[in-house]
Amino acid sequence: QSALAQPPSASGSPGQSVTISCTGTSADIGAYDHVSWYQINPGEAPRLIIFGVNERPAAVPARYSASKSGNTASLTISGLRAEDEGEYYCYSYGGGNKLGVFGGGTKLTVL
Amino acid sequence: EVQLVQPREEVKKPGESLVISCKASGYSFDSYYIGWVRHMSGRGLEWMGIIYPGDADSRDCPSYGQFTVSADKSIDTVYLRWTSLRASDTAVYYCVRVIMIGGVIVRLDSWGQGTRVTVS
Repeated sequence: QSALAQPPSASGSPGQSVTISCTGTSADIGAYDHVSWYQINPGEAPRLIIFGVNERPAAVPARYSASKSGNTASLTISGLRAEDEGEYYCYSYGGGNKLGVFGGGTKLTVL
Repeated sequence: EVQLVQPREEVKKPGESLVISCKASGYSFDSYYIGWVRHMSGRGLEWMGIIYPGDADSRDCPSYGQFTVSADKSIDTVYLRWTSLRASDTAVYYCVRVIMIGGVIVRLDSWGQGTRVTVS
């Protein structure tokens, strides 16, 4: 069982918004602002899409945003596109693990 | 451009040894932690370990079996090696560049494409 809890699946139609949650504890998400999100598609290198709670690398579109409240972080994708399909994983430093902890992943389907 | 190049697949039998490599380019290899994350089917991502090639400082998660993370600065390559594989080592292993500030991992900003290891 992964240290951070994510819903196993999420879906939305093109143009809609979808939010994926990531729930941890006061020892990881609640303690640090070092939450990041990653997109993984089969056969491709995973991609960093959000870091520092809500910062984006230059190549990631502004449709991706994130937030944190207490022990829960959330990733929101606005204006869904087919290319947003994939698996999304959250990460937080802390959790009693000197390397930090990952979520179990959420498979996003664009209907 | 930062690139991390890994072999795509390895197939081994239980008890065999294995070394998978990750060749880094596009940045100063000595100056960043680099490590390994595994992805087992049906499970989330899990850390294996990280190493700082500049001084070989490492952090690892030994609960996942007998493996070693090492680096060769002369060829900008990091390795993950097992001496005796088990079927439970079957997974995709990603090489990642780690951004660490003040001893805290803040993000993993570059990933390799992953090496699928099958032990059967």
